[in-house]
Amino acid sequence: GAVVSQHPSWVICKSGTSVKIECRSLDFQATTMFWYRQFPKQSLMLMATSNEGSKATYEQGVEKDKFLINHASLTLSTLTVTSAHPEDSSFYICSASKRIGTSGSDEQFFGPGTRLTVL
Amino acid sequence: GQNIDQPTEMTATEGAIVQINCTYQTSGFNGLFWYQQHAGEAPTFLSYNVLDGLEEKGRFSSFLSRSKGYSYLLLKELQMKDSASYLCAVRDSNYQLIWGAGTKLIIKP
Repeated sequence: GAVVSQHPSWVICKSGTSVKIECRSLDFQATTMFWYRQFPKQSLMLMATSNEGSKATYEQGVEKDKFLINHASLTLSTLTVTSAHPEDSSFYICSASKRIGTSGSDEQFFGPGTRLTVL
Repeated sequence: GQNIDQPTEMTATEGAIVQINCTYQTSGFNGLFWYQQHAGEAPTFLSYNVLDGLEEKGRFSSFLSRSKGYSYLLLKELQMKDSASYLCAVRDSNYQLIWGAGTKLIIKP
């Protein structure tokens, strides 16, 4: 199987504090990990793409100094929301890419998401 | 445990209709999503069902039966660009998203 976990599953914090969200691929090494934000209209917005050991690539409009991504190993990526504000309240989802066979193609597996509420 | 089942792969002909089924067993239910994902791209939202019935959006429709733990995505007038993976996801009582493995849809001329 290919399981991706996130921790915590939900978090409530005060405005101005920082929150760290972990994304782990439990039974495979992920070539790439992705971070998404799910908006109230249910669409998924890609925030950034990260490869182990290198800097994350952020999508246009995503503040890299606010959403810090660390991809320390092939099984762990973290997203830190710095100085969180109520408008950052959202559902954050990660996915991890697994190389399939020798074809060179990747398959993406999604985590269950982290619900962030900033008061 | 929680589980989402959908076929691994389906093949259909351009111009035809295809139905992709999704069955789920989750602890609670707070909505079901369908996403389309082309290789190498981020998934795009297709539909959201929280009440029983059919939701129609152009060529795409999604159906939900909560009592049966069942949904389907119906694609009409298939086009080559519809070749993609289709992901079914259910939000459980803890607001966690449970993801299906995705159905790879191959469209042939």
